[in-house]
Amino acid sequence: ELKVEQNPLFLSMQEGKNYTIYCNYSTTSDRLYWYRQDPGKSLESLFVLLSNGAVKQEGRLMASLDTKARLSTLHITAAVHDLSATYFCAVDIRYGNKLVFGAGTILRVKS
Amino acid sequence: DTAVSQTPKYLVTQMGNDKSIKCEQNLGHDTMYWYKQDSKKFLKIMFSYNNKELIINETVPNRFSPKSPDKAHLNLHINSLELGDSAVYFCASSQSNRWSYNSPLHFGNGTRLTVT
Repeated sequence: ELKVEQNPLFLSMQEGKNYTIYCNYSTTSDRLYWYRQDPGKSLESLFVLLSNGAVKQEGRLMASLDTKARLSTLHITAAVHDLSATYFCAVDIRYGNKLVFGAGTILRVKS
Repeated sequence: DTAVSQTPKYLVTQMGNDKSIKCEQNLGHDTMYWYKQDSKKFLKIMFSYNNKELIINETVPNRFSPKSPDKAHLNLHINSLELGDSAVYFCASSQSNRWSYNSPLHFGNGTRLTVT
């Protein structure tokens, strides 16, 4: 059974600092997704990573995928308060028909 | 226009009742899903339909019965509600096949179900 582990589960950081969220998964897959969820809201797609070595960047967020290590990272650069949210990684094991989500990382950026 | 819409947004009901949640997507996607998010924010897939055909049915009690009248709609009916059913239920859709696997899921806004 596929397991997807994120760490840390909770991250409190100061504005302007950098940090990385890690997502490990237990079985072979080359499709990984990152989502953002604001409190009480739906999930918003951030990144789609489809191959080993894939790197995507949007604003202060950069995601990468290492399929050999079964590891994805979400790097936050110079955090701002607006980035406060819960971030989920999800691994696709059936060509888009089944996403298995990590437990989520609650990010709080303090000014 | 809302891409994936679900109703109702909030549902408060008593144990033992039967309730339904409706979901519609206007994205032209061929696959729809129900996910459950528990109080700890953990998301788990319940069902997946592709072109009205059930393709994923996780270990969900048979009190939960999905119905897909067409590929734009996926409803969830729950019989004999229990306290443990309280959660947020998200509908989602995607274009999912071997050649379009890069389509991320588009989620609805969720239905917060509270069973008292």
